[in-house]
Amino acid sequence: SQTIHQWPATLVQPVGSPLSLECTVEGTSNPNLYWYRQAAGRGLQLLFYSVGIGQISSEVPQNLSASRPQDRQFILSSKKLLLSDSGFYLCASGTGSFTDTQYFGPGTRLTVL
Amino acid sequence: QKEVEQNSGPLSVPEGAIASLNCTYSDRGSQSFFWYRQYSGKSPELIMFIYSNGDKEDGRFTAQLNKASQYVSLLIRDSQPSDSATYLCAVNGNNRLAFGKGNQVVVIP
Repeated sequence: SQTIHQWPATLVQPVGSPLSLECTVEGTSNPNLYWYRQAAGRGLQLLFYSVGIGQISSEVPQNLSASRPQDRQFILSSKKLLLSDSGFYLCASGTGSFTDTQYFGPGTRLTVL
Repeated sequence: QKEVEQNSGPLSVPEGAIASLNCTYSDRGSQSFFWYRQYSGKSPELIMFIYSNGDKEDGRFTAQLNKASQYVSLLIRDSQPSDSATYLCAVNGNNRLAFGKGNQVVVIP
């Protein structure tokens, strides 16, 4: 079975500062990888997904970006954080088929002040 | 119309009772449906998935799918205090999962 690691677990950052969140997956190869954000009262919002190294699809235009430098590594970044970037960031891994079952990492709780 | 809708408001059930959660979706071409459980402050964990019309049982959980009416439901039998959580419905469409906002379940001892 696969294991998804995310770090850091919690983060408090000032407005305008950069961001880098990392996700790594163990126990599977060539996974589809996803970044979600869960803000209070808004449900899970898909931000980015990747079907392979260097392949990134953006769901929501914003000041965030994603990269996949290795098969099982997915990074979420920002050059300048906004207050609205606060939330619970979740990395997920899936097979990509129509039966795609996505499994989530433990998440990073980001507070932008 | 939102892609995936779940009933709003918390659901309170006494311990040992059946909790019933409903979810409707808009994409008639959706093929797979998932229920996740999320404890407060934690990430979602998969409970079960269903692809075919009808019922699918896994322990105390039963998922029901009706593609013609575009709804999927989750029944939790013999509810336990440990079932107190938010339950997320997710629907596969356009090569991605769309999630509902979730239903909070509170099991009262």
